[in-house]
Amino acid sequence: GAVVSQHPSRVICKSGTSVKIECRSLDFQATTMFWYRQFPKQSLMLMATSNEGSKATYEQGVEKDKFLINHASLTLSTLTVTSAHPEDSSFYICSARRVEGEAYEQYFGPGTRLTVT
Amino acid sequence: SQELEQSPQSLIVQEGKNLTINCTSSKTLYGLYWYKQKYGEGLIFLMMLQKGGEEKSHEKITAKLDEKKQQSSLHITASQPSHAGIYLCGADIGNFNKFYFGSGTKLNVKP
Repeated sequence: GAVVSQHPSRVICKSGTSVKIECRSLDFQATTMFWYRQFPKQSLMLMATSNEGSKATYEQGVEKDKFLINHASLTLSTLTVTSAHPEDSSFYICSARRVEGEAYEQYFGPGTRLTVT
Repeated sequence: SQELEQSPQSLIVQEGKNLTINCTSSKTLYGLYWYKQKYGEGLIFLMMLQKGGEEKSHEKITAKLDEKKQQSSLHITASQPSHAGIYLCGADIGNFNKFYFGSGTKLNVKP
């Protein structure tokens, strides 16, 4: 089956620094990728929708300048948390959509746990 | 997402009992997915439904999507402690090329 990888799986960074998370579709091309954030004991919150070659669409309340998304190729999207603060600590999951004709399938990465100290 | 209502929020059942989790939207659902998760870990894919009236089963878990494609249910028969976890429904709502999740249902199964 289709596989989506995320790197790193865990990252600890100091407050004020930036951290980049990569999401790759390993065996298919994904024109659309999604980024989610999960707070403890809560569901996954959609942060933004990333389309290859165009600007990401952010959900209401998500800071574009804080969470930079780049979808430079059909197999790679990156999320950069800029000037990270402890409140940015969270579990981030990406998803890649594989389209086949009029149907699509959604595949999720294993997630990245970010801790900002 | 407020677009996708999931109920109940939590559920405690005795081992061997049946249970149902619901996922509802006021808009048409294009591709309804059910996942299981432990908080802070990856998602385990359970089932995907696309057609109105569709029903799928795997082992003791059955998922249904209603004819209007606005409501789905996940039914577990003869629950076991291994079924415990967080169940999430997710869908492309209104065909806007966005994929949202329901609020999740925490299931505990008492032996």
